[in-house]
Amino acid sequence: EIVLTQSPGTLSLSPGERATLSCRASQSVSSSYLAWYQQKPGQAPRLLIYGASSRATGIPDRFSGSGSGTDFTLTISRLEPEDFAVYYCQQYGSSPPITFGGGTKVEIK
Amino acid sequence: EVQLVESGGGLVKPGGSLRLSCAASGFTFSSYSMNWVRQAPGKGLEWVSSISSSSSYIYYADSVKGRFTISRDNAKNSLYLQMNSLRAEDTAVYYCARVEWFGEETDYGMDVWGQGTTVTVSS
Repeated sequence: EIVLTQSPGTLSLSPGERATLSCRASQSVSSSYLAWYQQKPGQAPRLLIYGASSRATGIPDRFSGSGSGTDFTLTISRLEPEDFAVYYCQQYGSSPPITFGGGTKVEIK
Repeated sequence: EVQLVESGGGLVKPGGSLRLSCAASGFTFSSYSMNWVRQAPGKGLEWVSSISSSSSYIYYADSVKGRFTISRDNAKNSLYLQMNSLRAEDTAVYYCARVEWFGEETDYGMDVWGQGTTVTVSS
């Protein structure tokens, strides 16, 4: 089973700052199969990034994804008030087919 | 409008059963694989089960294998999760999510999610 480890667990930042979130896989993951989601309290997750670096429809360009192999990164260039949320990485393809990371909470400092 | 609406959650005793439904609208349901994903209170996301568009391929997380059954009725634009032998650790919000293959059908993502239905297993 591929385990995704996200760090840090919590990121305390101010609006306007840059956020860098890490997702590390226990085995190599195809970039095509790495996605990122945002979840706000009481809401369903929302797809942000697929294929490790492609933004989903309607996602602002301040969100970017990068990485390959076992190390992936989600970057929010300048935090807006609505970006404070929990972010999850997710991989597809190995047994089990889908796993999620434990999440990174981006909170207001 | 593309939409998924879950229903069927509730309070059930340990060992009991529950059937969740997910009604799809605004897209050609029969063309998409679907997932169930759950989230225990205060915890992260956990994939539960997947079903391909024609039900040919079905997968389960080890934590639910042998107890849960995923199915779909493309004529009714509906996805189901039959949950038997429920345990306290199955308590969670259950989401259905649409699978999209982006690009040249190479990149995977869950692009449409329902609002979730809450399952509580307690005596």
